[in-house]
Formats: sequence, structure tokens, C-alpha cells
Amino acid sequence: DSGVTQTPKHLITATGQRVTLRCSPRSGDLSVYWYQQSLDQGLQFLIQYYNGEERAKGNILERFSAQQFPDLHSELNLSSLELGDSALYFCASSGQGAYYGYTFGSGTRLTVV
Amino acid sequence: AQSVAQPEDQVNVAEGNPLTVKCTYSVSGNPYLFWYVQYPNRGLQFLLKYITGDNLVKGSYGFEAEFNKSQTSFHLKKPSALVSDSALYFCAVRDGGNYQLIWGAGTKLIIKP
Repeated sequence: DSGVTQTPKHLITATGQRVTLRCSPRSGDLSVYWYQQSLDQGLQFLIQYYNGEERAKGNILERFSAQQFPDLHSELNLSSLELGDSALYFCASSGQGAYYGYTFGSGTRLTVV
Repeated sequence: AQSVAQPEDQVNVAEGNPLTVKCTYSVSGNPYLFWYVQYPNRGLQFLLKYITGDNLVKGSYGFEAEFNKSQTSFHLKKPSALVSDSALYFCAVRDGGNYQLIWGAGTKLIIKP
């Protein structure tokens, strides 16, 4: 157990639908990052939150949005889903400071049919 | 801008032989470098990091990495490969501005019995 919890682990949904992925960061970590990983592909950075505020944005589609709540958990909302959105979605958390690496959750596998 | 390159999409090694997974980086200041491993359908796991000090960094599962400032490289090594080392390996460098990790594209390591 890495300390970062992602739910659900698997999600199957139809095109056009909306889903919400949830992430609880490791205790004490203020930063949360969301990544998308398609089959056998690298990591595509989506968005970063720090202590409730958006800190950085990557290649996140307008159909996707995220937020971080006062208790520091984060949610990634994916709407108007397309087949191409099928992927592994990872959440990671980190402490504040250059010395810290990331701690990753086990991911949510989203399948759009 | 900071960047990381993993020049090999795939590395094949026979079990028992030494392995090297290459990583080069570009940063404007002092580099903070990381290696992560991803097993199939799992989240990324931290292997080791270089912050400062000794150029040879030892990490988990018998892996080590050598920091070479003149060649701007941080290659991952292991003296004797195991079949269980087969996985996807990611190199990353810290962006000091917003503490975001910049990721390489990943290298698939295949260890053949």
C-alpha cells in the first residue's frame, strides 16, 4: 500500500457518459497530480493541485476537470466520454520541496465502450 | 525548459547479465533526478533518486544509478538482471519552479531467461 488511494479500480462506461475518479493523497502531502496513461504509452500530465488550488495544467481536455477539496482529496471528472478516453488514470501526491518524489496510487482503469 | 530523454523504447537483456537503462536530462539549475518502475497494470513505484552528494545512488531491488554531470546522464543499472525485473522504467527530473516532475517516455525492460 503506497498510501495513495484511488477509487474505483475499474470503470466501464458508455460513450457520452460522465464519470468521477477519486484520489486520497498520502497523509501529509499537499500536492496532488493526475496523469493519463494509454496502453503501453508514457505518462500524460493532466493537472496539479496544491492545498486546494490549481498549480499547473498539462494536456487536459476541456471535457475534463478536477478539484481538490479541503480535506485534500481530489476528484477528476471526465465528461462526454469518447472511446479514446479509455486509459489508466493515475493520481500521485508529494510533499512540498524539490527533494520529494511522487507517491502513486494504483490507478483507475477506465474503459469506454 | 527542463526535459528528460530515454533514448531506448525497449531494452532486452539475458537473465544474469548486467543491465543499463539510459536517461539524459536538461535542466537550468541543479538537477533532482528520479527513477520509477511500473509493473503491468500497477502504479509507478519509486526506485531511487539523486539530490546531491555521491554520484552513485543505490536504490530498491538491487538497482543503482550513476549521475554524470558532464554527460548530463543518470543511467539506471543492475549488475545481474532477474526475469522479475521486466517492467516499464521511467526517469524523471524535478522542475524547481513548481516542484513538478518532468517525465521521460519510459523504457520497456525485457529480461529473458
